[in-house]
Amino acid sequence: DTGVSQDPRHKITKRGQNVTFRCDPISEHNRLYWYRQTLGQGPEFLTYFQNEAQLEKSRLLSDRFSAERPKGSFSTLEIQRTEQGDSAMYLCASSSRGTAKNIQYFGAGTRLSVL
Amino acid sequence: AQTVTQSQPEMSVQEAETVTLSCTYDTSENNYYLFWYKQPPSRQMILVIRQEAYKQQNATENRFSVNFQKAAKSFSLKISDSQLGDTAMYFCAFTGGSQGNLIFGKGTKLSVKP
Repeated sequence: DTGVSQDPRHKITKRGQNVTFRCDPISEHNRLYWYRQTLGQGPEFLTYFQNEAQLEKSRLLSDRFSAERPKGSFSTLEIQRTEQGDSAMYLCASSSRGTAKNIQYFGAGTRLSVL
Repeated sequence: AQTVTQSQPEMSVQEAETVTLSCTYDTSENNYYLFWYKQPPSRQMILVIRQEAYKQQNATENRFSVNFQKAAKSFSLKISDSQLGDTAMYFCAFTGGSQGNLIFGKGTKLSVKP
């Protein structure tokens, strides 16, 4: 396994711009999760997919946020009309369909700075 | 609502000593999983240890062990023979049997001093 991969690692944008992040899970992991982590806090759940189906969305995921996993492999998280409060680390994790399905493996994250 | 509480924002320990990090949680579920994750500075989160709630035996992984007290809803992590590489943020996390996402505590920043 090559691990969970996230791109880009860092993103600096101006308020009002749209940004898109990509996550490539561990191959054959059917579940994929997005979390947001602000400084000094633990990660907060945003949304998760089982294969291509988006099964749950947090109330943190406002209308400006959208996530997709079109073929059940990689996923994208888009933030429209970014605000300074969106500045955070965005983490992606994946888990398998087997007996260890509750173990989530994390990527290195995308750090977003909104100026 | 399910919550995870870590009451120690920061801790320090001397190299080779033992340290215990505290975690309490609240849930009405009977089937769930508890985790400790480690997040080194500027590096990705990695799993340290996992405990299934239906198992009475405490999980151990080399120098890491847990004290799982289900009735008290307590899940502490003991690190024995602390090493400099153990310096990191440690997060306690919970997931219910029927849900997908993890619920994290705010973390404990552990510093191992030489």
